[in-house]
This record gives sequence, C-alpha cells and structure tokens, in this order.
Amino acid sequence: GAVVSQHPSRVICKSGTSVKIECRSLDFQATTMFWYRQFPKKSLMLMATSNEGSKATYEQGVEKDKFLINHASLTLSTLTVTSAHPEDSSFYICSASGHNYGYTFGSGTRLTVV
Amino acid sequence: KQEVTQIPAALSVPEGENLVLNCSFTDSAIYNLQWFRQDPGKGLTSLLLIQSSQREQTSGRLNASLDKSSGRSTLYIAASQPGDSATYLCAGSSGAGSYQLTFGKGTKLSVIP
Repeated sequence: GAVVSQHPSRVICKSGTSVKIECRSLDFQATTMFWYRQFPKKSLMLMATSNEGSKATYEQGVEKDKFLINHASLTLSTLTVTSAHPEDSSFYICSASGHNYGYTFGSGTRLTVV
Repeated sequence: KQEVTQIPAALSVPEGENLVLNCSFTDSAIYNLQWFRQDPGKGLTSLLLIQSSQREQTSGRLNASLDKSSGRSTLYIAASQPGDSATYLCAGSSGAGSYQLTFGKGTKLSVIP
C-alpha cells in the first residue's frame, strides 16, 4: 500500500532557530502533498497545498515566509518553520494523495519550541 | 465552505459492545469521505475510504456508510476491543479535482476492558 514517511517524529528547538520537516512518498509519486497542523483537542487544519515544481498554495492566515514549503520532486516535500517561536509548537502532519484518491498520512512531527 | 462535525466528542463503552460514530457535513457535493484513526501523538491511519459513487465500505469489524443527501456518514465498529481506543476522525473532500480534506474534530473512543 501507499506509504508516506515523515521525519523527524519529534524535534525540540530553541526560539529563533529554523526547523525542517521532510515528507516522502515511498512507493508512489505524489504531485500534490498537503501540510496540516493540529493543536491539542482541535481538528487538523490545512496549512498549505504543495505542488511539485511550483509554489505552494497557503491557506488564509498562514504566513508564507514563516512556513516555507518546497516540493522539488514527486516524492519529497519539505516544510521549514523559520525563526520558530513557542506559539509554533504543535503537531505537524503531511499527507499525499495516492492513485485511488485516498489520502496517506505521515506519522507526524511533534515540534516543541523552547 | 465544507464544515465537518463529529458527535460525540468522546465516547466510552465496555469491551464487546457495538458502537456507531457519527459524522455530518454541510456540503452535499462532497466527493470522497474518509475515516481515520489517530493514536495519541501519532499520525493518522486511514481506515475506510468511501468514494463519491459508493454508499458504504467494510473492512473487518468496521463499516462506514455515506448518505450524501442527508449529509451524514457513520462508522460502525462491531465487538469493540480495548485496542480500538483512539480518536477517530472523518474527513471529506469536495470536488473531483480537489485533494483538500476538511476534518472533523474527532471522537475520542475509550473501550473499557
């Protein structure tokens, strides 16, 4: 079945530093990947849609310069949280759409900014 | 804009009981509906995908139905087990060309041994 690998699973960083999260589709090509953010006891919120070879489409209220998305290949998308602050601490999940129009999710990244 | 609601927010049942989780959505033009499971601190695991032309899907002890006219989907879990304890989320996509999902807030299920 379709597998999406997300790395790292956990990261703790100091305030003001940048953190990169990788999302890879292991056995299928994903022209489109999605990045979500989840706050405790809240639903997943779509942050941006990442299209291979083009600029990402950000949802309203998501800062483009803070959450940099790169989708350089059909199997890899990265999310970089720049100049991280404690309020950026959250659970970030990526997903990619497989050929059957279902969605496969990565295992998520728990980001803690101290 | 699609809105997805899940009721109840939390549910506790004794082991062995059958149960139903509810999901409602506002846009009947929903294309696909998918049920996920999320364990604490983990990513999402896809359980069942109901495509636009389908009304239900079954996998093992799980059965999901989709009624677009009433804007509802249900996830039926038979003979619940403690290992079923998790948060269950439903999510819908609108439009064949859209890969974006709108999620409900989930139902936290606890199956008591």
